Amino acid sequence: GAVVSQHPSWVICKSGTSVKIECRSLDFQATTMFWYRQFPKQSLMLMATSNEGSKATYEQGVEKDKFLINHASLTLSTLTVTSAHPEDSSFYICSAPDNEQFFGPGTRLTVL
Amino acid sequence: GDSVTQMEGPVTLSEEAFLTINCTYTATGYPSLFWYVQYPGEGLQLLLKATKADDKGSNKGFEATYRKETTSFHLEKGSVQVSDSAVYFCALSPFSGGSNYKLTFGKGTLLTVNP
Repeated sequence: GAVVSQHPSWVICKSGTSVKIECRSLDFQATTMFWYRQFPKQSLMLMATSNEGSKATYEQGVEKDKFLINHASLTLSTLTVTSAHPEDSSFYICSAPDNEQFFGPGTRLTVL
Repeated sequence: GDSVTQMEGPVTLSEEAFLTINCTYTATGYPSLFWYVQYPGEGLQLLLKATKADDKGSNKGFEATYRKETTSFHLEKGSVQVSDSAVYFCALSPFSGGSNYKLTFGKGTLLTVNP
């Protein structure tokens, strides 16, 4: 099946810094990608829908200025966590559809 | 809005035991239903799906039937193996016929199978 990669797989940063997470579809093109956040022992919660060539669509309660999404090409979407704080520590997962949803392996963000 | 409720874990079974993980949903219209599996250290993988009422999804010995009358999509396997140890997520997408849309997930159920 299709492959979606994420980079980095884990990142530790200091409070107040910004962190960029990349999501790539390796062998297919995706005009839409989805970003999820997963808390320990909790479900995946959809944060936003990334749209190639246009603005992302954010779910209710997600701060668009905090979580910047850029879908620069048909194979790359990036999520930037701006001015990160410890409460932003989480597991971030992206997915891209190609007849079915393909998920990246996730990025573990720890903010100190 | 749409929601998915699945059986809380963790579930611990012996090898060759029967597995059921319950999943019920709330949605308007005619959603598609999915089971995803997340093995340790890996991303979510589609296990099976059903896109309309009474459809049965099956894969790797796992089965689930889309029951509109009970709004359920319970996962079953007749004889589990140690290699089935993983977290299982029930999910829905708002439209029938596919999963090219955003998904709503249940909380996940951790399954541990002991030899």
